[in-house]
Amino acid sequence: QQPVQSPQAVILREGEDAVINCSSSKALYSVHWYRQKHGEAPVFLMILLKGGEQKGHDKISASFNEKKQQSSLYLTASQLSYSGTYFCGTERWGNAGGTSYGKLTFGQGTILTVHP
Amino acid sequence: GAGVSQSPSNKVTEKGKDVELRCDPISGHTALYWYRQSLGQGLEFLIYFQGNSAPDKSGLPSDRFSAERTGGSVSTLTIQRTQQEDSAVYLCASSFDPNYGYTFGSGTRLTVV
Repeated sequence: QQPVQSPQAVILREGEDAVINCSSSKALYSVHWYRQKHGEAPVFLMILLKGGEQKGHDKISASFNEKKQQSSLYLTASQLSYSGTYFCGTERWGNAGGTSYGKLTFGQGTILTVHP
Repeated sequence: GAGVSQSPSNKVTEKGKDVELRCDPISGHTALYWYRQSLGQGLEFLIYFQGNSAPDKSGLPSDRFSAERTGGSVSTLTIQRTQQEDSAVYLCASSFDPNYGYTFGSGTRLTVV
């Protein structure tokens, strides 16, 4: 099943904060976050793993609530460059007999627009 | 190479023709994935390669779709007898370790007329 992202769209002024949520009905091994600008490739932002480990870069943070199977991406002090569509991709626990190989099911995306 | 390279960037084909889409992953990345993105939609998994093997082909929509990878490097996605519903952006991604995320290519925009 496709994870559900909310909100579908958000409009901000520079410097404002935003939170994007990603919920799954299945037990998850990992949650990936990507940002895609129009006509460009999705760019990796962050991965959150079962057990609490996080791997990522840039000034973006995220959380993963294993009980709720929900992840949230926190964008603070937004910049114009943050504009784009944000996708979460989830990997189910138990893929390929318990071995992770990165098969992701992506949400429908959240369109973030930052205005000056 | 420095990034994941896909070719062609755009392809317009007539319904019923066959097409080949190419992906050149980052050197050393053993894992390679194909996804499809339809207009305004999220990314749909098609197939995963580890080296030259494809342990998971579960996302291929029909037997008109096939893919191969040679030399642990370049991959080709072939669509036979294209249909209008095949129109989409086909994205390739590679990774040295899925726990560190993917690097996506810029995609091939396929239009079937």
